[in-house]
Amino acid sequence: GAGVSQSPRYKVAKRGQDVALRCDPISGHVSLFWYQQALGQGPEFLTYFQNEAQLDKSGLPSDRFFAERPEGSVSTLKIQRTQQEDSAVYLCASSLRDRGNTGELFFGEGSRLTVL
Amino acid sequence: QKEVEQDPGPLSVPEGAIVSLNCTYSNSAFQYFMWYRQYSRKGPELLMYTYSSGNKEDGRFTAQVDKSSKYISLFIRDSQPSDSATYLCAMSGGSSNTGKLIFGQGTTLQVKP
Repeated sequence: GAGVSQSPRYKVAKRGQDVALRCDPISGHVSLFWYQQALGQGPEFLTYFQNEAQLDKSGLPSDRFFAERPEGSVSTLKIQRTQQEDSAVYLCASSLRDRGNTGELFFGEGSRLTVL
Repeated sequence: QKEVEQDPGPLSVPEGAIVSLNCTYSNSAFQYFMWYRQYSRKGPELLMYTYSSGNKEDGRFTAQVDKSSKYISLFIRDSQPSDSATYLCAMSGGSSNTGKLIFGQGTTLQVKP
């Protein structure tokens, strides 16, 4: 497709379950970002990949959060032992540039996670 | 205190009004300033992109950056009901920048017909 694709769009998990969220960026985009957006808030940075290398994971809130992009295209964000505070929309974004000041990030529609 | 502050609103205006949205920030290393629009249950989409201080105009939209005051603005002229959305300011910059954006909270705008 032409845009960033995320799946699932909606996910309901019971507290303690593991979840995996997938991001398919725009073909050829080098940079990939994950953001977390709580209700009524702006997106907050989680992690950044340049191709397959995870260059910045400073925003991951705990060691229950793990992201990978093994072949430099599709990325997966995994959350282990989900907690209620993990409920949010998880946005993936990609950019053509390979470093700094990527500016135009193309966002997917997000995966809305609800933890009961 | 957050690095980027933005009044969440909501802001309600009549169709045709001029809308002013703004953000303040504390990190003087920011050099790139953006405005994103986000419709309900959609991802943000880029509206305006500005480097350093100055003005930029694109159709009904004007972005202003005042680095000396650490203040950015977005003006929407002749607002339309289709402009109803959440507007997010975002910034990046610094010596070790990876291009990650720091977002404001977002301002919800409603334009009434």
